Amino acid sequence: LAKTTQPISMDSYEGQEVNITCSHNNIATNDYITWYQQFPSQGPRFIIQGYKTKVTNEVASLFIPADRKSSTLSLPRVSLSDTAVYYCLVGGYTGGFKTIFGAGTRLFVKA
Amino acid sequence: GAVVSQHPSRVICKSGTSVKIECRSLDFQATTMFWYRQFPKQSLMLMATSNEGSKATYEQGVEKDKFLINHASLTLSTLTVTSAHPEDSSFYICSARDGQGNQPQHFGDGTRLSIL
Repeated sequence: LAKTTQPISMDSYEGQEVNITCSHNNIATNDYITWYQQFPSQGPRFIIQGYKTKVTNEVASLFIPADRKSSTLSLPRVSLSDTAVYYCLVGGYTGGFKTIFGAGTRLFVKA
Repeated sequence: GAVVSQHPSRVICKSGTSVKIECRSLDFQATTMFWYRQFPKQSLMLMATSNEGSKATYEQGVEKDKFLINHASLTLSTLTVTSAHPEDSSFYICSARDGQGNQPQHFGDGTRLSIL
């Protein structure tokens, strides 16, 4: 299973764009990259998933370079309510979509 | 769409009690469900993977006789913590995924288990 590495924590201010990068050097060909957000005492919430290049939805963008050894979650114009832990997961068909959580990134958004 | 319901949200019980936690996929068929455990300020730790109709696969170090998992239907998996002790107190979270294509896991809201 691919191991992921993210910054432990990040600080930002309201209205700023936040980019969180995840390293996954041993990603397999069949693996997808998925990002989740978790608030205290809640289960992780799906944000976005991608395989390569760029994916965008109503809340975030995901940038994946050609070698797929890293990915960057971009949150446009964060608000205080975006303060949470963000996890990058890598998994796919080969491993039965089993995924191992890394430490995640604690994002703290200040007013 | 893709809603996973976990019940109960909180349990407080005495040492020696067995506790059952349910995980349901409400609007999709979950061929695979995962059970995690999370301690305060830590990441989620995968306990086991369960596929509908077959025995669960447990991660190394997780006692299968302690944490009984049943995945009898495509919408329901249960985790039973048998003869629970204070050290079993934790936040238990399930997830489920639709077996079609590359669908991601969707998580329940977790169960806070406190053993007195």
